[in-house]
Amino acid sequence: TQLLEQSPQFLSIQEGENLTVYCNSSSVFSSLQWYRQEPGEGPVLLVTVVTGGEVKKLKRLTFQFGDARKDSSLHITAAQPGDTGLYLCAGTRISGTYKYIFGTGTRLKVLA
Amino acid sequence: ETGVTQTPRHLVMGMTNKKSLKCEQHLGHNAMYWYKQSAKKPLELMFVYSLEERVENNSVPSRFSPECPNSSHLFLHLHTLQPEDSALYLCASSRATSDTAEQYFGPGTRLTVT
Repeated sequence: TQLLEQSPQFLSIQEGENLTVYCNSSSVFSSLQWYRQEPGEGPVLLVTVVTGGEVKKLKRLTFQFGDARKDSSLHITAAQPGDTGLYLCAGTRISGTYKYIFGTGTRLKVLA
Repeated sequence: ETGVTQTPRHLVMGMTNKKSLKCEQHLGHNAMYWYKQSAKKPLELMFVYSLEERVENNSVPSRFSPECPNSSHLFLHLHTLQPEDSALYLCASSRATSDTAEQYFGPGTRLTVT
């Protein structure tokens, strides 16, 4: 059972389009991170959200933490080829065994 | 540059070989991690070290043996691996294993077992 489900799993869009990636769980998280991973490299941390309902912006990327702290979304405005990569959410669970878990990942390809 | 380095970046080994992966972090963190990333699978946590003590071992086969001599260095010793062990092995570090522990990853070692 995967505790952090991401959707969609794959996404291929044209440059300039907008997109949203979702990260969902039945568990409550005290914090949640988003990472981007490019081929042949390790994931790079983009943002951390800690408060229910929190919204953070990083240039064309908008991150939101759900009110109940069980889910998160990443919205990209006017996607560019440089946004191509694997997007991973990860979080620290409130309870359960080892608390820091990664999501299933969304592979994004932005075509020029 | 994330402050976490891994060597080698690529490794090809036979099933009877013994090799070691090395990770070094220059961030002053207290926790270090080994992950396995296979194609079409989520990141799999293998081992967690906090202040040089192993705090998590996720049912990893004994052919993988971690070593953490100090808080800056982490090794993964490999022996008698199987072809299905071919994957990207990622090392990460964080300030602690506790709350809001953002992780910083190295570039990974691409391992191929022949």
